[in-house]
Formats: sequence, C-alpha cells, structure tokens
Amino acid sequence: DVKVTQSSRYLVKRTGEKVFLECVQDMDHENMFWYRQDPGLGLRLIYFSYDVKMKEKGDIPEGYSVSREKKERFSLILESASTNQTSMYLCASSPNHEEKLFFGSGTQLSVL
Amino acid sequence: AQKVTQAQTEISVVEKEDVTLDCVYETRDTTYYLFWYKQPPSGELVFLIRRNSFDEQNEISGRYSWNFQKSTSSFNFTITASQVVDSAVYFCALSGSTDSWGKLQFGAGTQVVVTP
Repeated sequence: DVKVTQSSRYLVKRTGEKVFLECVQDMDHENMFWYRQDPGLGLRLIYFSYDVKMKEKGDIPEGYSVSREKKERFSLILESASTNQTSMYLCASSPNHEEKLFFGSGTQLSVL
Repeated sequence: AQKVTQAQTEISVVEKEDVTLDCVYETRDTTYYLFWYKQPPSGELVFLIRRNSFDEQNEISGRYSWNFQKSTSSFNFTITASQVVDSAVYFCALSGSTDSWGKLQFGAGTQVVVTP
C-alpha cells in the first residue's frame, strides 16, 4: 500500500524557534508538495519539488523554506516560527502533474 | 493565474437525500486536470476522481456522479442517497499544464454534514 508519512501528528513550538517538518514517501514519486490548511481557505501550496534538489515556490512561500536531498524525503523548514504559522500542514506526492496526489495524515502545528 | 471557487461552505442534509457540490474554476490553460478529494474527520485527504479538459463525459460511480461542463467552467459533484459516512469536507482542485504546471490549486472546501 502506498504511503506518505509525516513525522509528527501534533507539534507545539514557541515563537522564534526553528521548526522542521519531515515527509517521506515510499512510491518513488517525482513530485512532492507542502500545503497548509486553514479553515475557510482550503489548502494553499507553500512549496513543491519535481526532482531531487529542485524546488518551486507555491502561493505562500514567505517564512518557509524546503529541502529535498533525497527523492523520498521533502522537508519543510520554518526558520523562525511565528504565531500566524499555526496551521495544519499537509505533505503530498505524485508521479507527475497529471496524476492524483497522495497525502500524508498531516501535522497540526501550534506556535505559542 | 488559476482559481477554484467552491461557493458552498457547508451543506447539511438528512440521510438518503442527494447532495450536489458546486465547483467553478478559472484557468488560461487549454489542457488541465480537475480533481475531487474527500477529507473525512480523520484528516487524510482521499482522492475521488480526476478529469482532463478533453474528457467531458460525465460519469456515475456507485452513489457518486460528476458533471463537467467546459462551457460554464464547472465541475460539480453529486452524492446520491447520502449516508452518514459521507460526512466530510470535499475539495475541488485544478492542475494546469503551462505556467501553473505542477501546482494543484484547491478550492476552500465544502463541509457536508449528513444526519441520520
């Protein structure tokens, strides 16, 4: 069974901390994505990657960076967490842009 | 830029009623892909259907059906004879092929509440 695994289901951090959200997929997919989900706003794309070491900005990249050193792993980094980054973060992967996304179960991040 | 609009924020029905979810999209691409995803209370998004812009054939799959109309840029989704397990948030999404390549754009979602 295909799997996208996010390292934490719940995370609580303090303002100013550096935060790493990890995502691993076992399907050998080329594309990986980070979205954040907020009530009334749906899912908004933060960054995506279509190959190792490649990254593209999504719609709301400010305050975030990403790393993709290996094909199966895509990390989202909050350099200095702020309260407005409290959200549900969803990682996804797909074989290409025509195909469906496979989602992880999400990380609920609270920044205090 | 591409955009997906789901005007209905919440729909409440009684079990066995039909539910239609509206989705209107905007894109400059001539080739694009439309999707519906379901997010149950557990949180993990589940893929329901994909359509490409050249395939306007509507489909019925069990209790689900889809109505894709390019002329009105709409991709509506209907649940027939709803059940409590259909309670979830449903997202419509669009993936373009040129300047929006790779960016799956989601709507805000529609919360469906089915009561016994």
